Amino acid sequence: DSGVTQTPKHLITATGQRVTLRCSPRSGDLSVYWYQQSLDQGLQFLIQYYNGEERAKGNILERFSAQQFPDLHSELNLSSLELGDSALYFCASSGTGGATEAFFGQGTRLTVV
Amino acid sequence: SQKIEQNSEALNIQEGKTATLTCNYTNYSPAYLQWYRQDPGRGPVFLLLIRENEKEKRKERLKVTFDTTLKQSLFHITASQPADSATYLCALDGTGGYNKLIFGAGTRLAVHP
Repeated sequence: DSGVTQTPKHLITATGQRVTLRCSPRSGDLSVYWYQQSLDQGLQFLIQYYNGEERAKGNILERFSAQQFPDLHSELNLSSLELGDSALYFCASSGTGGATEAFFGQGTRLTVV
Repeated sequence: SQKIEQNSEALNIQEGKTATLTCNYTNYSPAYLQWYRQDPGRGPVFLLLIRENEKEKRKERLKVTFDTTLKQSLFHITASQPADSATYLCALDGTGGYNKLIFGAGTRLAVHP
């Protein structure tokens, strides 16, 4: 158990809809990352938050947004969903102060039909 | 832009042999490099981290090297076992305390009895 909790584990929704994925980081970790992994593809970095502030952005679509709350949990909002958004979405957290490993959740599998 | 390359072809080896995986990067000078293991449908799990001033790092049957001149890291698994079969990802780690992690596409390793 990595200590990172993602909910829900599975999500099936229709095109055009909006969904929210939730992530609770490991206790004490201030950094949260979101990644997208499509079928047989690598992990695509979406966005990073550190202690409530956005720190780095990857190739995140404008239809996607995220935020980190004061209690450090994070949410990834996906709107106007398209079939191509079907993927595994991973959240990871890490500590502070330089080189630290990232701990990944088990992911949310999103299926857009 | 930053680019990380890992061999996209699966690596098939016999049990007991040493598996060697390669990670090359361009347009980047990472302070750290990390290796993760990912099993199908699950989140990546951290294995090893090596800093730019370290040439080699070992952990049990795992060894990582880091050549900043060649912009390359090699990941070795000695005395490989079928349980080592998985996808192995390398990730580049930035500096500044906010560890933006960018992953390579990964190399799938299959260890045959």
